[in-house]
Parts: sequence; C-alpha cells; structure tokens
Amino acid sequence: GAVVSQHPSWVICKSGTSVKIECRSLDFQATTMFWYRQFPKQSLMLMATSNEGSKATYEQGVEKDKFLINHASLTLSTLTVTSAHPEDSSFYICSARGFGQGARNEQFFGPGTRLTVL
Amino acid sequence: DAKTTQPPSMDCAEGRAANLPCNHSTISGNEYVYWYRQIHSQGPQYIIHGLKNNETNEMASLIITEDRKSSTLILPHATLRDTAVYYCIVIQNQGGKLIFGQGTELSVKP
Repeated sequence: GAVVSQHPSWVICKSGTSVKIECRSLDFQATTMFWYRQFPKQSLMLMATSNEGSKATYEQGVEKDKFLINHASLTLSTLTVTSAHPEDSSFYICSARGFGQGARNEQFFGPGTRLTVL
Repeated sequence: DAKTTQPPSMDCAEGRAANLPCNHSTISGNEYVYWYRQIHSQGPQYIIHGLKNNETNEMASLIITEDRKSSTLILPHATLRDTAVYYCIVIQNQGGKLIFGQGTELSVKP
C-alpha cells in the first residue's frame, strides 16, 4: 500500500512555543490530507481536512488559529500547534488520500507524532 | 454517515480465528464498510472494505449480511501481532471522511 510519513515522531517543547509537524505522502499524490488527534485510551478525533492548494476545513470545536494547517503541495501537509500548552499534549496522526501507485483513493495513515508540552 | 456499534473488547487464542462483529443498522445503500486497526502507539492500518459482497484479502475476510445492517471481520489465524484496536467505519463513498468510534480491543493470547 501507499506510504505516509510524519516528522518528527516525537517532540517535547516548552509551554508557549510553537511546534510544526510534517506529513508526507511518499509514493503517491495526496489530493486530500487529514489531521487527527488522539488522547490516551481514547479513539482518534478528526481535527481538519485539507485539500491541496486550498484552506483547511476544521471540525467543530477545533480552533483554526491554534492549529494551523498548510497543504501547499500534493505530497506535503504541515500542522503547526501555536502557543502550545500542556493540554495540547497528544498523539497527532495524519492521513492522506489520493492517486498513484498503491493509493487507489483510499486513506492511508502516518505513524503519528507524540507531542509533549511541558 | 451511519454510526457503528462494536463490542469494547474481545479475546482470541493464538492460531484460532478471530471474528469481530460490527452493527451498522442505519447504513444506507451507497455507504461502504471499512475496517482499520491500530496497534498501540502507531497510526491506523487499513485492513479491508466492502459495499455489499463479501471480501477477502491477504489480511482478513469481511462478511456483510444480506440486509447490510451488520458485518464481521474475520482474521483466520490470529497471531500475537494481531493484538490491536479494530475499528469498523461506515462512510458514504470512498471519498468520505473516516470518523472513528471506540472500536474493539482484540487481545490475542498464547
């Protein structure tokens, strides 16, 4: 199947700083990318959907000014957590959907990024 | 998108078949049934999906009832590495958003 990577795999930062997480589709063109957040012992919660070249659509209750999403190319989306606080500590997972070898218009997930805010 | 109901947890003996049920009684005619699994601290992994007919691939089989109100994911010979949370998701088409419920935590025991 298609491969999605995330960087970094884990990050620790101080409260008040901003953190950028990258999501890349390695062998297909991702027309749509999704960002999820997962707290311990809970299911994945969809935060936002982004289509290449256009603004992201945020789910209800997700602050778009706090979680900045950029999807500037067909292989890269970034999530920036601005002015992070301890309650933003979570497991952030991206997924991508598109076309190309192995993609089949299915949704494939990255390995996740563990964010810890001190 | 239709909501799904899954048992919160199940156990299975290693080498035996694991049968994971999912109820989706409000599914509509153009909605697909997708199964993903998530091994601890990893991203979800696609397993299989179907619309009406039963499906089989190298990982699992998907049995969908004739009325489409429920389905069963079958792992034919479960191994310890199949221990994970299994999510059954119904989406309107192959371009829909995946909304995760609580899933079934499958524990494969030696």
